[in-house]
Parts: sequence; structure tokens; C-alpha cells
Amino acid sequence: DAKTTQPTSMDCAEGRAANLPCNHSTISGNEYVYWYRQIHSQGPQYIIHGLKNNETNEMASLIITEDRKSSTLILPHATLRDTAVYYCIVRAYYGGSQGNLIFGKGTKLSVKP
Amino acid sequence: EAQVTQNPRYLITVTGKKLTVTCSQNMNHEYMSWYRQDPGLGLRQIYYSMNVEVTDKGDVPEGYKVSRKEKRNFPLILESPSPNQTSLYFCASRGMEGEKQYFGPGTRLTVT
Repeated sequence: DAKTTQPTSMDCAEGRAANLPCNHSTISGNEYVYWYRQIHSQGPQYIIHGLKNNETNEMASLIITEDRKSSTLILPHATLRDTAVYYCIVRAYYGGSQGNLIFGKGTKLSVKP
Repeated sequence: EAQVTQNPRYLITVTGKKLTVTCSQNMNHEYMSWYRQDPGLGLRQIYYSMNVEVTDKGDVPEGYKVSRKEKRNFPLILESPSPNQTSLYFCASRGMEGEKQYFGPGTRLTVT
């Protein structure tokens, strides 16, 4: 599975959009980009995933560059409850250790009032 | 409500005393797995199961056992716990066609 690079930490003002970048320059054609988050020490929570088209759901939007070497997770109106560690994960949909999500260090997002 | 449950949520035990952490899901998922999370090391997979009676090792299986006798349950067994197994443990599940993995609330284990 491709390796990802994320900033260690980011701050965002409450009510503003939070844009979390992720670099995955070695991504291969059958690999998806997944985003999960972990609030404090709770179980990780799925946010969104995509292959090459931009995706949007009730939680967030995912923008993937045309060359697929990077992506951005967008929380459109961040709240204090969005303070968490955000993980960008790249893996084949059916590949490797089945279902094994390789979590890196993620980005610690702090939403401030 | 779709959920993965784990018990106990907190456990303090002594070296060598066998323990079991239970995991149950109500979504009829085929795939289940166990992770441990340690500071600086992130989340690492211990064992996973593709279906009933089908289990396989993840990245850090030493010192752990699992079983999958029923589809909904996937217990994690520590036959002889040691202090280096002090960690935060998460169970997870997903359907075979699903890309979304559901995680349990975690079990914080301390072995003294």
C-alpha cells in the first residue's frame, strides 16, 4: 500500500472550513484514498473515501488531484467536536492483508473557538 | 443501531493471568479484526478473520489468540499477559463488499 504524508498538526477557527492535506505520490491505479478520524481515544471513525473523482457526504468533501498524488479533506464548517486526529490512508480496495488499514501518525486538528 | 461492542472497557490485571476481551458486532459483517494502539506506534493490526472459523495473523500477533466460532463474535485472548501488552485495543468489522470499517469503543488494558 502507498505511503502517505500529512502535517503533524493544524488549527482551525470554529465555523470555518478545515482543509487537511495528504500527499500520496506513490499511489497506484487500484488504490483508494480513505479518511478516518479518531476523537481522543475513541475508536476510529470512517469519514469518506474516493478513487479519482471528488466525493462529498454528510461529513466532509474529498478533493483528489488529477494526477492522484495528493488529496484534501474538507470539513466545511468545523466545530469544536471536530477536534481529532485525522488519518489519510491509501490502500487497494481488495488487496494486501484484507481490510488492514495502515494508520500513520495522522494530523492533529484543533478547532478553536 | 449499527455498532461494535467490546468488553470490558477497562481492565487491570497481573502478569500471567489469562484474560479474554470480547468483541461483538450486530451488522452481520464477515470481516472482523483486532488492533492495538500505542503512543508513537499508532494502530497496528493483531489478528483478523474473514469469516467463521477463518482467522489469520496481522502485523503483531505474538502473545495473542483469537477465535471465530460465530459470525458476530471475535474474542481476543491473552493466555499469559505481559506488561508489554499494556495498550489500548480496538475491534473492528466490515462487510466483504464494504469499504467502511466500524470500530469498537476500545479496551484499555494494563498488565502489571
